[in-house]
Amino acid sequence: SQKIEQNSEALNIQEGKTATLTCNYTNYSPAYLQWYRQDPGRGPVFLLLIRENEKEKRKERLKVTFDTTLKQSLFHITASQPADSATYLCALPGSGGSYIPTFGRGTSLIVHP
Amino acid sequence: EAGVAQSPRYKIIEKRQSVAFWCNPISGHATLYWYQQILGQGPKLLIQFQNNGVVDDSQLPKDRFSAERLKGVDSTLKIQPAKLEDSAVYLCASSLGGYQETQYFGPGTRLLVL
Repeated sequence: SQKIEQNSEALNIQEGKTATLTCNYTNYSPAYLQWYRQDPGRGPVFLLLIRENEKEKRKERLKVTFDTTLKQSLFHITASQPADSATYLCALPGSGGSYIPTFGRGTSLIVHP
Repeated sequence: EAGVAQSPRYKIIEKRQSVAFWCNPISGHATLYWYQQILGQGPKLLIQFQNNGVVDDSQLPKDRFSAERLKGVDSTLKIQPAKLEDSAVYLCASSLGGYQETQYFGPGTRLLVL
């Protein structure tokens, strides 16, 4: 079955630096991949969607890459701010005729002032 | 535009009791999802509705969980009887419909089973 891996250890960085989060997947060739942000006590909020034929996508300070050969997506936040501190989840759509979206466990990002 | 509404926000019950959660999706959204999120894990889909029909409920523990979406709008998720391992946040999400779709999540209901 498909599997998503995100680094379970929190990522601690200094304000102003670039944060890079990783999402790896196996047993799957998704047509797209999504990134969500989740703050404590809240539901996830959609950030970006990248399709299999797109290498890179940007939105303001966010950048996502999608390498279908490596089966990996990288999520970058440039000029990070303490307000960017949250858990970031990657998600894949259903596979093999399944409509079940799969979420990774998320990586916690902590930006220190 | 109003977001996805859920109630209650918190619920504490004893094991073997029953509990129900309510969700009101964004107006016009055909697809509604119920997820279970255990602490430290990502959301796990329990059931997906398209209008008032079930698209997928393969991960719903049907011996104790049930869900319905009457008239293709609001939805309720019920657990009866609850077990300790049901302690989690229950998230409702909705989307317009279609394959490549953004999901809009509600704030969730935090359930603690004692």
